[in-house]
This record gives sequence, structure tokens and C-alpha cells, in this order.
Amino acid sequence: GENVEQHPSTLSVQEGDSAVIKCTYSDSASNYFPWYKQELGKRPQLIIDIRSNVGEKKDQRIAVTLNKTAKHFSLHITETQPEDSAVYFCAVLRGGGSEKLVFGKGTKLTVNP
Amino acid sequence: EAQVTQNPRYLITVTGKKLTVTCSQNMNHEYMSWYRQDPGLGLRQIYYSMNVEVTDKGDVPEGYKVSRKEKRNFPLILESPSPNQTSLYFCASRRGAFNYGYTFGSGTRLTVV
Repeated sequence: GENVEQHPSTLSVQEGDSAVIKCTYSDSASNYFPWYKQELGKRPQLIIDIRSNVGEKKDQRIAVTLNKTAKHFSLHITETQPEDSAVYFCAVLRGGGSEKLVFGKGTKLTVNP
Repeated sequence: EAQVTQNPRYLITVTGKKLTVTCSQNMNHEYMSWYRQDPGLGLRQIYYSMNVEVTDKGDVPEGYKVSRKEKRNFPLILESPSPNQTSLYFCASRRGAFNYGYTFGSGTRLTVV
């Protein structure tokens, strides 16, 4: 089955710096790669996603890049703010008739004022 | 308001006592899924459904059952709960094949003693 590795498990940055979280996956047939943000005590919320036919997608301060050949994708947050502090999860969907969505183990991001 | 509603939010039960966690969505979504979240393990998929009467196993289905008799509801059933099923459970839904983003419910914190 699909295996998703997420790094780092914790990340601490100063306000205004950039943060990068990376995920690798094993199944080359996977075709959808979302990122979720989970604040303490709350539900996961989708913040950005990318499909396999796209290499990069940006939404204001957040961007995701995908390298299908190397089977890895990354979340980039620029100009970080304290409210960006949360746990971030990457996920991978195989598609093609399967709805198996496999999550990474999460990255706890702390943005220090 | 578009939402995924889970009940109960908190539940403490004893080993072996059957229980059901309900999940309902008002967005006419085709796809629904159950996840459990445990510290250090991220979110793991239990079961998913791609439409009424269509369900399939995720990565950790043992000890759980689901049903999808109508589009809006996707209950999670624990026939004989055990302490290793103590966890935070999330139900989620999404529209269909070309709209991949899941909307999560608020979660159910289950403790089995």
C-alpha cells in the first residue's frame, strides 16, 4: 500500500521567515496531494492541494510543489505569522476508483513572534 | 450552513458495549470517510464510501463497521469496543470525483475503559 513520509516532525521559525515541509510517497499511481492544517483542538482544514498534472500551485503566502519523478511534494509558507502555528498534514490519494487517502504523520509548526 | 456533523463529541464507554458514532452532511456529497487520529500516528483511514451502498476498507478497518443507506449519513459502528480503540475520530465528506477537498466534522473523542 501507499507509504507517506513527512519531515520534519517539528519546525520552529521566527515570524516573517519561511517554512518548508516535505513529504515523500511510494505509489507512482497517486494523483492528488492535499495539505491540511490542524489547530489545537480543532478539525483538519484543507489549505491547498495539487493534482499530478501540475508542478506548482500558489495561494497567497502558501505554495505547494510536486515532483512526480522523485515522488515528493512540499509545502512552502512565506512571511510566516504566529497564526500559522499549527500541525500540518500532507496526504496522498491514489484515485482511479480508490478513495484511499493516506496521511503523513504531521509537522508541528511553531512561529515565534 | 454547510457542515459535517458528528455525534457525540465525547464518549466514555466500557469494553464490549456496542456503540455508534453518527455522521451527517448537508452538502449532498457523494464521498464520505472515517478517520482516527492518534498521537504520533497522524490520521488513519478506517472506512470510506463512494456512494449509497458503496463502502470499502481503509487502512485500519479491524473492529469497525459502517453503513451508507442514505447519502447524507455514514455512521461508524463499534460492535465490541476495546481499549485500543480509544482515539479521536473524524468523519469527512467531499463532493465527487473532480472535487477532492474533504470537509471534516468536529471530531468525536472516544475513551474505552
